[in-house]
Amino acid sequence: DTGVSQDPRHKITKRGQNVTFRCDPISEHNRLYWYRQTLGQGPEFLTYFQNEAQLEKSRLLSDRFSAERPKGSFSTLEIQRTEQGDSAMYLCASSRDIGNTIYFGEGSWLTVV
Amino acid sequence: AQSVTQPDIHITVSEGASLELRCNYSYGATPYLFWYVQSPGQGLQLLLKYFSGDTLVQGIKGFEAEFKRSQSSFNLRKPSVHWSDAAEYFCAVGPMEYGNKLVFGAGTILRVKS
Repeated sequence: DTGVSQDPRHKITKRGQNVTFRCDPISEHNRLYWYRQTLGQGPEFLTYFQNEAQLEKSRLLSDRFSAERPKGSFSTLEIQRTEQGDSAMYLCASSRDIGNTIYFGEGSWLTVV
Repeated sequence: AQSVTQPDIHITVSEGASLELRCNYSYGATPYLFWYVQSPGQGLQLLLKYFSGDTLVQGIKGFEAEFKRSQSSFNLRKPSVHWSDAAEYFCAVGPMEYGNKLVFGAGTILRVKS
């Protein structure tokens, strides 16, 4: 396994701009997750996919956030009209089916100035 | 609601000393429990997990954890800490249909004195 890959690793953007993060899960992993982690806190669940279907979204995922996994492989997380409160690390993770280990990527840091 | 409490924000131990990181959880059913480690600016690496069976579980890097249902605890231990263990440690709880989502504690930062 090559691991979960995230891009970009760091992004600085001005308030009001849109940003998009990409996640490439471990191949053949059906489940893909997005978490958000702010300084001094543990990761918080945002959403998850089984194949291309988005099965659950957290209340943290406001209307400005959208996630897709169009072909059941890579996923994108887009944040529109960014706000300073969106500054965080966005973690992607993947796993095989139920009962299997969740592997995390190294995260994408977002700083909104 | 599910929650995880890690009472210690920071812990400092001397290299070679033993370590115990505390984790208490609140969950309405039998939980799946996990410990992850995170180095600065990096993602999370799974140390160990408890699903069922033996309440003492062994993990990577010489770590172990013990599930105590009566105390709603899942403390992480290591007999002898190495300088490379300095990192942040997160306890997490997940539902029986593991794989949907995990609830994490706020983490404990471990510092190792030489």
